Amino acid sequence: GAGVSQSPSNKVTEKGKDVELRCDPISGHTALYWYRQSLGQGLEFLIYFQGNSAPDKSGLPSDRFSAERTGGSVSTLTIQRTQQEDSAVYLCASSQQGGANTGELFFGEGSRLTVL
Amino acid sequence: AQSVAQPEDQVNVAEGNPLTVKCTYSVSGNPYLFWYVQYPNRGLQFLLKYITGDNLVKGSYGFEAEFNKSQTSFHLKKPSALVSDSALYFCAVRDVNTNAGKSTFGDGTTLTVKP
Repeated sequence: GAGVSQSPSNKVTEKGKDVELRCDPISGHTALYWYRQSLGQGLEFLIYFQGNSAPDKSGLPSDRFSAERTGGSVSTLTIQRTQQEDSAVYLCASSQQGGANTGELFFGEGSRLTVL
Repeated sequence: AQSVAQPEDQVNVAEGNPLTVKCTYSVSGNPYLFWYVQYPNRGLQFLLKYITGDNLVKGSYGFEAEFNKSQTSFHLKKPSALVSDSALYFCAVRDVNTNAGKSTFGDGTTLTVKP
């Protein structure tokens, strides 16, 4: 597709369940970011993948959160044993960095997670 | 470490008046600077960027931003605000000298334009 695709767009789950959120970045983009945004608030950085480098996991709030990026393309964010405070919109973004590329981010529409 | 400060959580202006949304940054090398906008119930989208050259850059929807190296600022401006400009605005920085470095975002500023 032409843009960053995220699925599901909405997810309602019960406290304690695991969830997986998927991000399909723009083809050829080497960098991929995950952010969390509570209603109308700022962006909370979660994790950053760049090429084959080790991911920057410094923003993950707890060990219940993990993410992987397979084959340098699709990424999955996994939240284990969800808690109500995990309810938020999870945003994925990709960019082309390196060389002459300036690295502006292209965002998906987000996955809205509600933990009951 | 790089950082971005958006000192105002909220900016209110009347339609037709000029608007400014402030941003200052800190980066060890030379900066790439960006503004992004998030309209209500919409995704984040790129608005404009400063890479090099002219300190005044123009972007979408009539917005512009001025890079000031001495003040380490990149304020977003528009000569005449529209009600439809009401949105959440984010400033971001990347270090040019760190080729694969990540973008760092400010906390965002909510712009409200009243008729």
